[in-house]
Amino acid sequence: QKEVEQNSGPLSVPEGAIASLNCTYSDRGSQSFFWYRQYSGKSPELIMSIYSNGDKEDGRFTAQLNKASQYVSLLIRDSQPSDSATYLCAVNPGYGGSQGNLIFGKGTKLSVKP
Amino acid sequence: EPEVTQTPSHQVTQMGQEVILRCVPISNHLYFYWYRQILGQKVEFLVSFYNNEISEKSEIFDDQFSVERPDGSNFTLKIRSTKLEDSAMYFCASSDGRGGTDTQYFGPGTRLTVL
Repeated sequence: QKEVEQNSGPLSVPEGAIASLNCTYSDRGSQSFFWYRQYSGKSPELIMSIYSNGDKEDGRFTAQLNKASQYVSLLIRDSQPSDSATYLCAVNPGYGGSQGNLIFGKGTKLSVKP
Repeated sequence: EPEVTQTPSHQVTQMGQEVILRCVPISNHLYFYWYRQILGQKVEFLVSFYNNEISEKSEIFDDQFSVERPDGSNFTLKIRSTKLEDSAMYFCASSDGRGGTDTQYFGPGTRLTVL
């Protein structure tokens, strides 16, 4: 059974702080990793994708991937109240170029306090 | 910016009735997907579709479910005889697929309520 695990939270951080969200996955052959943000009652909205070990930065967001440890993380710098949402980690267990399904974690609920 | 659209936003039906959920994927995308999310639970894959046929499906996607691309723009999910446990948000997604890219973009969802 291929699984993606996340701490459900809630994770509460003050405005302006760094929020750190973590995710582990079970399928060692997984190739593609995604972070989505989901506001209550809304659909998943893509934040970042990452395919290679190391860090990938996009604005206030940094995704980190460690395939040896089967671990993906998302850092949000200068957190804002508008970042308050559930963050979903998703893994595509297919090989490069395959259009396999996404396996989602349950999500971590982030609350940014003004 | 192109986006996936879905209709209706909310569908209420009686148990045993057939429902059709509609999606218009991003226009130049090649791969289409349906996911569902039961309230308070994780997003679950149902089916993927490429080149006018199902490429992968989960154990949730049983004989009560079917998908179709009736024309060049729409992608539909049909549930033949709805059950109470089919109540969920249903999300359509699409991906480009060219150059090995597999990022999936989600539509706003259809909330299905089975009474």
